[in-house]
Amino acid sequence: QKEVEQDPGPLSVPEGAIVSLNCTYSNSAFQYFMWYRQYSRKGPELLMYTYSSGNKEDGRFTAQVDKSSKYISLFIRDSQPSDSATYLCAMSPPNAGGTSYGKLTFGQGTILTVHP
Amino acid sequence: DAGVIQSPRHEVTEMGQEVTLRCKPISGHNSLFWYRQTMMRGLELLIYFNNNVPIDDSGMPEDRFSAKMPNASFSTLKIQPSEPRDSAVYFCASKPLRKNTGELFFGEGSRLTVL
Repeated sequence: QKEVEQDPGPLSVPEGAIVSLNCTYSNSAFQYFMWYRQYSRKGPELLMYTYSSGNKEDGRFTAQVDKSSKYISLFIRDSQPSDSATYLCAMSPPNAGGTSYGKLTFGQGTILTVHP
Repeated sequence: DAGVIQSPRHEVTEMGQEVTLRCKPISGHNSLFWYRQTMMRGLELLIYFNNNVPIDDSGMPEDRFSAKMPNASFSTLKIQPSEPRDSAVYFCASKPLRKNTGELFFGEGSRLTVL
């Protein structure tokens, strides 16, 4: 079993739809949770970052972490064609100093297409 | 400010040949990571360096893979000899050592095809 599970999709939605992306994980040591967006033939770039449990909102994007269920989500409101990309969840445990090593474990990625 | 720079962007080689991938991290970033991405396995960490020192190479698949970081501005990932199953996109990423968010800054990747 993989440490991080993510449905690869693909997911196709109409413009303006609400998109829900999810990951589950098995390692209870994970404390840092991230969502990266990867456009075709580009490197991933950080979209959202959350430490421990809770919600975080940034514009049309909301990230949620439920550590009790080992489940994280990313919601995209009013989705746009420019949101079409692969979305990767990523997570890491803290290091001895309590910060993140940057040694991230990634989900498989969900391919999202938003059509006009 | 320039991002992480990787070269070559594309490499096509024959089985058994040596492949060297190169990476220049963002200036001032003292953690450097090599990841490999395939459709089947997603993004996997191969090795990472802090202050030019390899910290964790447990993700390096075989002895055919080696990585070096001779100075703060340059790293290489070498595969010798290469095999078709090494075909993947190899990403280099960097971050400031002390930054606590875990955010990595990725290059655009080197797409390797081994025939």
